[in-house]
Amino acid sequence: AQSVTQPDIHITVSEGASLELRCNYSYGATPYLFWYVQSPGQGLQLLLKYFSGDTLVQGIKGFEAEFKRSQSSFNLRKPSVHWSDAAEYFCAVLSSGTYKYIFGTGTRLKVLA
Amino acid sequence: EAQVTQNPRYLITVTGKKLTVTCSQNMNHEYMSWYRQDPGLGLRQIYYSMNVEVTDKGDVPEGYKVSRKEKRNFPLILESPSPNQTSLYFCASSVRLAGSQETQYFGPGTRLLVL
Repeated sequence: AQSVTQPDIHITVSEGASLELRCNYSYGATPYLFWYVQSPGQGLQLLLKYFSGDTLVQGIKGFEAEFKRSQSSFNLRKPSVHWSDAAEYFCAVLSSGTYKYIFGTGTRLKVLA
Repeated sequence: EAQVTQNPRYLITVTGKKLTVTCSQNMNHEYMSWYRQDPGLGLRQIYYSMNVEVTDKGDVPEGYKVSRKEKRNFPLILESPSPNQTSLYFCASSVRLAGSQETQYFGPGTRLLVL
């Protein structure tokens, strides 16, 4: 069965520090992968997506993610975190066969001033 | 302005009283979907629709119904709500499912409390 795992429930970083949020997926074929951000009390906003091609994907707000097929991972990174990045982050996979989305359980990011 | 709207935004109801949460998009998207979000469980897909009159179950469809009679609307129906359906619900839509243009847009959410 397809699944998405975000092993870190909470992460705290200092403003200006680098960030990496982990995402591992289980899927038979090449997946379509996404990262979304949810600010408190808000809906979800797409940060970036991977369908094919270059395995390093650039997104909005200075985020990037790297698809590593050998590790079944799609980790999200940012070189320097801003206080406004405090939010919950969700990794998701889209099944091209069934057109279903599977989301991870999320990672809540706290940024220290 | 391109958007997905949901109504109501907040709803308190009692067990067994039928309710409908509406979802509408103005982007002419073919694909629409409903999710519920619960603490520690992330988002789980309830139902999705590939186009008018085409719907299919997501991972947690029990207790819910949907219909897609028009392209822009995708209402979520709870025929007999129960307390375990207390949750935050999101509607989303996208132009298509494959290819680099696919982006899913989310509504603002509907917070439902079933007593």
